[in-house]
Amino acid sequence: EVQLVESGGGLVQPGGSLRLSCAASGFTFSNYAMNWVRQAPGKGPEWVSYLSSSSINIQYADSVKGRFTISRDNAKNSLYLQMNSLRAEDTAVYYCARRGELLRDYYYYYFIDVWGKGTTVTVSS
Amino acid sequence: EIVLTQSPRTLSLSPGERATLSCRASQSISSSYLVWYQQKPGQAPRLLVYGASNRAAGIPDRFSGTASGTDFTLTISRLEPEDFAMYYCQQHAGSPGAFGQGTKVEIK
Repeated sequence: EVQLVESGGGLVQPGGSLRLSCAASGFTFSNYAMNWVRQAPGKGPEWVSYLSSSSINIQYADSVKGRFTISRDNAKNSLYLQMNSLRAEDTAVYYCARRGELLRDYYYYYFIDVWGKGTTVTVSS
Repeated sequence: EIVLTQSPRTLSLSPGERATLSCRASQSISSSYLVWYQQKPGQAPRLLVYGASNRAAGIPDRFSGTASGTDFTLTISRLEPEDFAMYYCQQHAGSPGAFGQGTKVEIK
């Protein structure tokens, strides 16, 4: 079964740090680009960060650039998000999400086809 | 930066009715990069449609997507009780991943 399981969330004070982990199973992790997507209470999903399969291409949302760092260990089938200088507005459920890719009729299609259940991060004093 | 604007924010309909959801991009994007998700409370989003009009595996054929320029539409032909949920569009062009703000399909 294809599965993503996040861990590492919790309650942290403003200015603090957390490291989220995502354990992948049921597929060849090293073949896939990965994302972190978050969802604040009562809000829609917000893309946070993207990491290509080989870790060459890295992208961040402006809201987290300079504070968050995405990384992966393909040998351990794991994705990480180091979050520093946390703010109240970072409070959200954080999802690990696999980027699917399909080449058909000379077109590339991209989508998020596998999501974890999420881990909750609460930033509050 | 590509911004996706969804409308309406809420759609109040009865089971069996047709739902039409809109997603407009702030600039031209290839339809191959436009995706629709369904999300129910307490769950992660679920992939419905990719490439604007291709149903994902296991998605019933009452769900369909179309594209016209910067306008994208998700249609649910006949609402089933399990279809009442939030729906989000997302683009994978440029800086990957911007989502629209969502449309809630609720029971009238």
